[in-house]
Amino acid sequence: KAGVTQTPRYLIKTRGQQVTLSCSPISGHRSVSWYQQTPGQGLQFLFEYFSETQRNKGNFPGRFSGRQFSNSRSEMNVSTLELGDSALYLCASSLPQGEETQYFGPGTRLLVL
Amino acid sequence: GQNIDQPTEMTATEGAIVQINCTYQTSGFNGLFWYQQHAGEAPTFLSYNVLDGLEEKGRFSSFLSRSKGYSYLLLKELQMKDSASYLCAVRQNTGGFKTIFGAGTRLFVKA
Repeated sequence: KAGVTQTPRYLIKTRGQQVTLSCSPISGHRSVSWYQQTPGQGLQFLFEYFSETQRNKGNFPGRFSGRQFSNSRSEMNVSTLELGDSALYLCASSLPQGEETQYFGPGTRLLVL
Repeated sequence: GQNIDQPTEMTATEGAIVQINCTYQTSGFNGLFWYQQHAGEAPTFLSYNVLDGLEEKGRFSSFLSRSKGYSYLLLKELQMKDSASYLCAVRQNTGGFKTIFGAGTRLFVKA
């Protein structure tokens, strides 16, 4: 079974631009969570989607948004990029029941100049 | 609020045993996870505890005490490849599930 995939793997943007990142979960997984990872802050929860609905949200500004499609693929968007948005963005998928172990994708490394 | 504490760094010798501690304060506790993350890679699942006690899985064991808000990850027969960051994560159920991660413990295994 294929793992979680994320595209693109690397991205360079400039301040003020916007970016869209994509995540395809493991087949059969319907829950997708997004995290931001920086050296100083560790893994910070952005939001979680299940059945095309945002179930939970972390403490990030409204510039960060996401959505989920009917095939469980998810996208996250960051508008008006700031230097501090430079980070590794990780997507994790899980079955929405029982243990709910999250399986992570390789991440998208975003650099904002 | 919620808080997860774990040591920033640890160093151990190949073949030895190391214990990485994690303390947490959170509402709606619904399980504790340990993940391993090698530099430049995604976290990979190691263990899950929801009840008190010890879960053993090969060279790795994880312990949980819910009343103390405490967990540890025990790594035996350390290998050089165990050099990585170890993330303690707590799942909350406060009307919706959310997983909160600690900052991670960087483990250096030396020969």
